[in-house]
Amino acid sequence: AQSVAQPEDQVNVAEGNPLTVKCTYSVSGNPYLFWYVQYPNRGLQFLLKYITGDNLVKGSYGFEAEFNKSQTSFHLKKPSALVSDSALYFCAVRDATGGFKTIFGAGTRLFVKA
Amino acid sequence: DTGVSQDPRHKITKRGQNVTFRCDPISEHNRLYWYRQTLGQGPEFLTYFQNEAQLEKSRLLSDRFSAERPKGSFSTLEIQRTEQGDSAMYLCASGPRGEPGYEQYFGPGTRLTVT
Repeated sequence: AQSVAQPEDQVNVAEGNPLTVKCTYSVSGNPYLFWYVQYPNRGLQFLLKYITGDNLVKGSYGFEAEFNKSQTSFHLKKPSALVSDSALYFCAVRDATGGFKTIFGAGTRLFVKA
Repeated sequence: DTGVSQDPRHKITKRGQNVTFRCDPISEHNRLYWYRQTLGQGPEFLTYFQNEAQLEKSRLLSDRFSAERPKGSFSTLEIQRTEQGDSAMYLCASGPRGEPGYEQYFGPGTRLTVT
């Protein structure tokens, strides 16, 4: 069965500092991995994805994520946080070897302090 | 590209009533998902359509829930005999045809309150 774990309910970081939002996953086959962001009173927006190839993927708004197969992780990172990055972040996984079901984590709230 | 739209945005209903929600995906997308999201949780997969075919459905979905996508364009989600536990945000998302590693584009959601 597929699953996603986001171990931190909230991450606090000062503006200008690097940020990391953690995600680990479980899937029977190869994974497609995604990060989505949800701003207050707005719908979920796609940030970036890992399909195959380079383990480091770059996405919108300066975010990047590193796929680590041995640790089954897909942590979201940004070198320098902005106050405007404060939002709810969701990691998601879909089994690349079959099925269409996408499983989301419970979300991590990122708070960037000025 | 006008994005994914959902109607209504809010619905308040009494327990035992039936409700129906509509989703209009991005016009060129043939993939369509329904999710349920409760406070403090991520979206929970309900069902998936590819064109008009319902290819996957969550085992958690009770018989009171049904979804259709009759012409492969818009979709409806109906909940019969609503219960208070059905109160949640119902999200629709669409995805493009072809590429298997597609991302999903989400609508604003329909917030259901069952009293």
